[in-house]
Amino acid sequence: KNEVEQSPQNLTAQEGEFITINCSYSVGISALHWLQQHPGGGIVSLFMLSSGKKKHGRLIATINIQEKHSSLHITASHPRDSAVYICAVAKGGGADGLTFGKGTHLIIQP
Amino acid sequence: DTEVTQTPKHLVMGMTNKKSLKCEQHMGHRAMYWYKQKAKKPPELMFVYSYEKLSINESVPSRFSPECPNSSLLNLHLHALQPEDSALYLCASSQGTHNYGYTFGSGTRLTVV
Repeated sequence: KNEVEQSPQNLTAQEGEFITINCSYSVGISALHWLQQHPGGGIVSLFMLSSGKKKHGRLIATINIQEKHSSLHITASHPRDSAVYICAVAKGGGADGLTFGKGTHLIIQP
Repeated sequence: DTEVTQTPKHLVMGMTNKKSLKCEQHMGHRAMYWYKQKAKKPPELMFVYSYEKLSINESVPSRFSPECPNSSLLNLHLHALQPEDSALYLCASSQGTHNYGYTFGSGTRLTVV
């Protein structure tokens, strides 16, 4: 079983819809990261969370440490949000780099 | 400067070639990472440098040789690669190895022929 599980693997939605991507992990972590990867390959860091909730523009990320679960929400989705969203965790003190989930491929149709 | 710059963006090399990938950042970050990403798979950690010293080598074959000449620069030297080494090679940096945000480069797409 993977240490970081994401759902759904693929998601197609209409422009304007509210999007939720889920991430569950089974190891002790010091931080959880949400990342965005476009088809060209580059990865953009969206959030780093160790507790609670963070908001940036139309993106909201939450984490429940007790339940080992995090969610990424996109409000008023737009075709430019189409990308792969990756949940990654820093285990222990974080000195081992990141452990990645398999990603959620999101397509927002106009 | 808030970027991690990777060069080249694309590289095609033969199995007998020697080439190098370069990664540069000027944010004062003291931890730098190499990740390998195969198509439709998540990135896999290869190497971690902390304060210019190799702290993690994830059992990577010796045909991949990392080098950190200074705190801003990270190289990955390639020699006698196999076609299965074709992948996107991502560099990342962070202020330190403990609970800091990451900045990723745009990657080098490597094809071994």
